Formats: sequence, C-alpha cells, structure tokens
Amino acid sequence: SQQGEEDPQALSIQEGENATMNCSYKTSINNLQWYRQNSGRGLVHLILIRSNEREKHSGRLRVTLDTSKKSSSLLITASRAADTASYFCATLTSGTYKYIFGTGTRLKVLA
Amino acid sequence: SQTIHQWPATLVQPVGSPLSLECTVEGTSNPNLYWYRQAAGRGLQLLFYSVGIGQISSEVPQNLSASRPQDRQFILSSKKLLLSDSGFYLCAWSVPGGGELFFGEGSRLTVL
Repeated sequence: SQQGEEDPQALSIQEGENATMNCSYKTSINNLQWYRQNSGRGLVHLILIRSNEREKHSGRLRVTLDTSKKSSSLLITASRAADTASYFCATLTSGTYKYIFGTGTRLKVLA
Repeated sequence: SQTIHQWPATLVQPVGSPLSLECTVEGTSNPNLYWYRQAAGRGLQLLFYSVGIGQISSEVPQNLSASRPQDRQFILSSKKLLLSDSGFYLCAWSVPGGGELFFGEGSRLTVL
C-alpha cells in the first residue's frame, strides 16, 4: 500500500495545550499537505509545504518537513475544543497528480 | 468563487444493485478530479483521478468505474454493488498544476 502512516492514531489533550502529530510517507513528493476532517464531513485544507521547504507557519499551525526521513509533523499550539477533529497528511507524488493520504490522527481537545 | 457539489449525500442500496455518484465543480476550468473512499475511522483510499475529459486513472481495480463526460463532471459507478463497497465516498478537485485539494461533503453508501 502506498498509504502513509500517522501517529499517534488518537490524541487527547486539555484545552490550551499543544498537540503534535506526525506523518511518514513512502514516495518522492512535490509537496505535503495537512487536512482536517470533522466527523462525517469532507476534508478542509490547512497548510501546504513544498518539498524544498523545511518549516511553515499559519496562525496556530506549524508544519515541518524532513524529506531525508520522509516525515512531517503538525503542531497545533494553544489548542481549543473546536480543534477536535481528525487530521490527515497527504502527499503529492512527484511526477504524478496522485494525492496519497495518511491514516489520520483523531484529536480530542477537552475543555 | 469555486464550489463543488456531490450527491446523493446518503444512500442505502441492496447487494447487486447499480450505483451512480455524481460530482460537479463550478467556477474553474480543466480541474483535476478525484474520487476517494473512506472506511469508518480510517484514512482515504484513492480510487480514481482524472486530468481531463475522458482521461481516467484507476488506482484500485475492483467493480467500480469512473467517467468524466464533461470538464467539470465526475461520476462514480458500479454495475453490481458488493457489501465491501460500503463507505464514505469523497469527490475532490485541484488546479491542473497540483495544489490543495477541495473536497465535497461526501456520499455515505451502505450496501445491505
């Protein structure tokens, strides 16, 4: 399977704490993206990092990319109850238009 | 602005019946189009993608098929559904160069 792996599979934290989730992938990529999915809904794009970038910030989100290890991490700072959702990484495979998704991390933020 | 519509939102079908899920995109031209399936509590499995009218790439050989009869229309079909076809089906589009994916709200299929 080409599917990437994410860990942890599930994460439960208190409001105000930081949440870190990791993603590993298998192929050479053009970019890596993170998405959020509320239960039973479509996915919403959060942030994109290109293969020649190492770190990117957007509001309370910080993404890192290590192409030598084929891994990425998503940090959500000062988490809120509204951040409760599943988070997925997706990679755009080099030379293709295929977006391959990871297995996801279910984040629960307790108020 | 661009929007994506996907329907039906929910359907319950008997084993052996046909399937047709439809997805249309508005406000953009020549999008790349995608069908994904998500099993309960799991990640997304890429089923089909298309970079142009009549051009379909299949990622998972099975009893599903896809067609793109118009630039902004993507249809997922089956002639005879299996129990294993149950799941949450998501349509998505991106600009031709590859950027972020924009998802529809999904179609939940239950095969009984």
